[in-house]
Amino acid sequence: ETGVTQTPRHLVMGMTNKKSLKCEQHLGHNAMYWYKQSAKKPLELMFVYSLEERVENNSVPSRFSPECPNSSHLFLHLHTLQPEDSALYLCASSQHGASGGYNEQFFGPGTRLTVL
Amino acid sequence: GQNIDQPTEMTATEGAIVQINCTYQTSGFNGLFWYQQHAGEAPTFLSYNVLDGLEEKGRFSSFLSRSKGYSYLLLKELQMKDSASYLCAVMDSNYQLIWGAGTKLIIKP
Repeated sequence: ETGVTQTPRHLVMGMTNKKSLKCEQHLGHNAMYWYKQSAKKPLELMFVYSLEERVENNSVPSRFSPECPNSSHLFLHLHTLQPEDSALYLCASSQHGASGGYNEQFFGPGTRLTVL
Repeated sequence: GQNIDQPTEMTATEGAIVQINCTYQTSGFNGLFWYQQHAGEAPTFLSYNVLDGLEEKGRFSSFLSRSKGYSYLLLKELQMKDSASYLCAVMDSNYQLIWGAGTKLIIKP
């Protein structure tokens, strides 16, 4: 496997279900991101992990719970979601330097989530 | 607030040239990125500008004017495979990317 992979690619769930999205990066990067992409709207940054520590949480509802067990893996645990949470969820990784700097993000193919 | 503006949709003809504009207002600036996203696929990196001027990479070029808060992506010799959304993103003072909503480019034969 190369680059950034995400599973599952498609997920349909009811509002009472609990599911998890998985992301794995094979690039040796030290930062990972979860984004939400809704139609005709900008990418919304949800969470950022740098060196396995959460450094950003953009006021995301608690029904979304991230987990980063190591620098290569990132999970997004979902529970009691709402229909408006239906979207494409993208994972990305980058190399984050001590002084910030140019850190191009590499994206996975995304999970298309539908909440019924 | 932080804001990235780009046209929602553009149409161009195969073989022609198209320019996609992006204007931004952000808290700090640490570079501007352009990404390409085909329908149902991941965004892929196209270019990065941090200094004023034009960066050329094959058929694609990207321009930046920091004083005007303005960038454009120039696509030459358009091919049908260039039909995609083009996303402009600015890295702010916290080194986080602020994204535009994307420009859907439709190429006609």
